Amino acid sequence: QQPVQSPQAVILREGEDAVINCSSSKALYSVHWYRQKHGEAPVFLMILLKGGEQKGHEKISASFNEKKQQSSLYLTASQLSYSGTYFCGTEDNNNDMRFGAGTRLTVKP
Amino acid sequence: EAGVAQSPRYKIIEKRQSVAFWCNPISGHATLYWYQQILGQGPKLLIQFQNNGVVDDSQLPKDRFSAERLKGVDSTLKIQPAKLEDSAVYLCASSLERLGEQYFGPGTRLTVT
Repeated sequence: QQPVQSPQAVILREGEDAVINCSSSKALYSVHWYRQKHGEAPVFLMILLKGGEQKGHEKISASFNEKKQQSSLYLTASQLSYSGTYFCGTEDNNNDMRFGAGTRLTVKP
Repeated sequence: EAGVAQSPRYKIIEKRQSVAFWCNPISGHATLYWYQQILGQGPKLLIQFQNNGVVDDSQLPKDRFSAERLKGVDSTLKIQPAKLEDSAVYLCASSLERLGEQYFGPGTRLTVT
């Protein structure tokens, strides 16, 4: 099952904060976050593993609630370069990886 | 460090024709992924290799799609015969290990007419 992302789209002013959510109906082993700019390939942001391990960029923070099968990506003090579509990918214990439909983030000056 | 290479970058074919895509992952990366991304949607995993072996191909339409990764390095994805709904960008990604950061190639944009 494809994870559900919310919101579908968000518009921010530079310096504002945003939270993007990802939820799954399946028991998850890991959650992945990627950002994709128009016409480009996705770029890695963060991986959160069951058990609490995280791998990612210093300026990106995220959480993973294993009991609820939910993850949230926190974007603080947004910059123009944060604009793009954010995808969460979830992987279950059977190596089944699925991406959500994406959240389109637009940061305006 | 060289990134993930894919070719061709663009391909236009007629329905019922065959097409093949090539991917060269980052040197030393054991895990290789093929994704299909239809315009406006998230990437859909088609197949995942760990070295030579297939880890997951549950979403690969096996009646028309096939993929191989010989010698645990390069990989090819083939569609035979193509359908209109196969029009998409096909992304190849690699990672050093499973559950690691995935590095994506530039993708191949396929148009089936």
